[in-house]
Amino acid sequence: EAGVAQSPRYKIIEKRQSVAFWCNPISGHATLYWYQQILGQGPKLLIQFQNNGVVDDSQLPKDRFSAERLKGVDSTLKIQPAKLEDSAVYLCASSLASSGQETQYFGPGTRLLVL
Amino acid sequence: GQSLEQPSEVTAVEGAIVQINCTYQTSGFYGLSWYQQHDGGAPTFLSYNGLDGLEETGRFSSFLSRSDSYGYLLLQELQMKDSASYFCAAYNYGQNFVFGPGTRLSVLP
Repeated sequence: EAGVAQSPRYKIIEKRQSVAFWCNPISGHATLYWYQQILGQGPKLLIQFQNNGVVDDSQLPKDRFSAERLKGVDSTLKIQPAKLEDSAVYLCASSLASSGQETQYFGPGTRLLVL
Repeated sequence: GQSLEQPSEVTAVEGAIVQINCTYQTSGFYGLSWYQQHDGGAPTFLSYNGLDGLEETGRFSSFLSRSDSYGYLLLQELQMKDSASYFCAAYNYGQNFVFGPGTRLSVLP
């Protein structure tokens, strides 16, 4: 079974530029999560989708971050414009359902450096 | 607010037993998960406690006490490959997850 795919794996941009990340979850997984992990900290949930609907985006900085999951499969996360403090690893995860006992499977992450 | 606390670092020797504690303060707590993350890698699921008590999975066990808002991960027969960061994560009604700050485990030969 293929795992969660993410691209690009690395990205370096200058502040005020835009960037987009892509995630392809495990086939059949209804729930998709985007996390931000700053070095030395735990993952912070940015947004959670159930199929193509948003379950939780309370910690998404909506003035600069946006995400979509068209057709309930792939998802993109965009930052526009980027700030220095956005430098982090952006992790995508998926699970069969959204209950807490469902295992979340994480992708390899996209490492973003904002200069 | 919602927060979880874990020790920042733990060190143990190969073959030993180590316990990583997690206390939580969240609204609508439902269950507690544990994830392992090696440097440069993605988090991988270890265990989940939805009920009070001990869950055992091979060398790893996890415990939850709702009355104490407390849980722990117990790693037995430590191996060098267990050197990693370990995160507890609370699942709350309203279907959101909050991860703890992580505990960095160093296993010495």
